[in-house]
Parts: sequence; C-alpha cells; structure tokens
Amino acid sequence: TQLLEQSPQFLSIQEGENLTVYCNSSSVFSSLQWYRQEPGEGPVLLVTVVTGGEVKKLKRLTFQFGDARKDSSLHITAAQPGDTGLYLCAGSSGGNNRKLIWGLGTSLAVNP
Amino acid sequence: GAGVSQTPSNKVTEKGKYVELRCDPISGHTALYWYRQSLGQGPEFLIYFQGTGAADDSGLPNDRFFAVRPEGSVSTLKIQRTERGDSAVYLCASSLGTVGETQYFGPGTRLLVL
Repeated sequence: TQLLEQSPQFLSIQEGENLTVYCNSSSVFSSLQWYRQEPGEGPVLLVTVVTGGEVKKLKRLTFQFGDARKDSSLHITAAQPGDTGLYLCAGSSGGNNRKLIWGLGTSLAVNP
Repeated sequence: GAGVSQTPSNKVTEKGKYVELRCDPISGHTALYWYRQSLGQGPEFLIYFQGTGAADDSGLPNDRFFAVRPEGSVSTLKIQRTERGDSAVYLCASSLGTVGETQYFGPGTRLLVL
C-alpha cells in the first residue's frame, strides 16, 4: 500500500518566519501535487511536480521533488497570515491509475 | 459560477438512515472523483468515474456505499444504513479526463450521523 507521510502535522509560527513541510514515501510516484485547503472549502491545487529533482517556485513558495521521486518539500519564505491553512501533498502512480494517495496534511497557523 | 458544486452543504441524519449526496462537476469534465475527509485527515479516495462508468471503485469502504453518474455529468453518492463512523466531509472533484490533469474540488458535503 502506498503511503505518504507528511510532517509536521501542526505548525504555528510568527509572521515573517520561514518554514518547510515534508512529504515522504517509500514508494515512487510519477507525480506529486501540493494543495492548500481552507476551512469549509475543498483543496486547491498549488503545484504539480513530475521530474525527479525538479524545483518549482510560486512567489514565496518553493516546491521540490526528490531525485528518486519518493519525497517532496514545500518551503515558505517570510510567511504571512494569509498563508494560514491546511497544506496537503498527494501522489499519483500515473498511467491509467487516477487515484491520488494523500498525506494527512500540515495545519499551518501564521500569527501576525 | 463554473466550479464544482455539491449539495447539500450539510446533512445531519440518524444512524440507519439512507442519504444521497450530489455533485455537479465543471461542464465538459469527463472525469469525476469522490473522496472522504475526516477531521484532521487528508482526503481518502472512494471512487472515480470516466464518463458514465466507474473506472475505479476500490476506495468504497463497503457495500453500503454506492455511486452513480448515469448521464456522465452529475453524480450521486448513496450511503445506505448510515453509521456514526460515516460522519465526514465528502468531497467531489472533476477533471478533463486526460492523464496528469488537475482535479478541481467542490466545497464538500459535511455529513453528520447521530
């Protein structure tokens, strides 16, 4: 069974601090996605990484896919209160398998 | 709005009752997914439709759960003889149906079984 372990589960930081969220698995994924979810809403896709070693930047967010395509990280620089939310990683084994394997999420609170 | 919509937004029912949850996907999206999300957890895959057919229903927890998409658009998730453990947020997502495409999620239906 494919599993994605996400850490930390909870994170409370002050505005302006940096943070990193990790997503790890013993399985290889063809792609990995990061989502952000706010209370009462569904997850919203932030980025998809598909190539081992790939780094993508989205403003203050930097996403990295491990060389072996088993792990990924999300780094936020100078966090702002608007970054508060649940961050989820989800992996796909690709091909005809459309099922996403999800991590448990990291609940981030950025305090002003 | 052109997003995925789900109704009802909240549903409270009693143990043993039957419930139906509806999902309206984005127009033109051929793929539709149902997930279940418990408090403090990530989404858990239930079933995926490509058009009218269920391409993968391996995530349905037992035979009390059933989903249909008769015309390849709207989908209904049906839960028979509800149990307290069925309480969760049921999320629906749709996509264009091509490999690697983005899934767009609805706001979910919050089901509470008393």
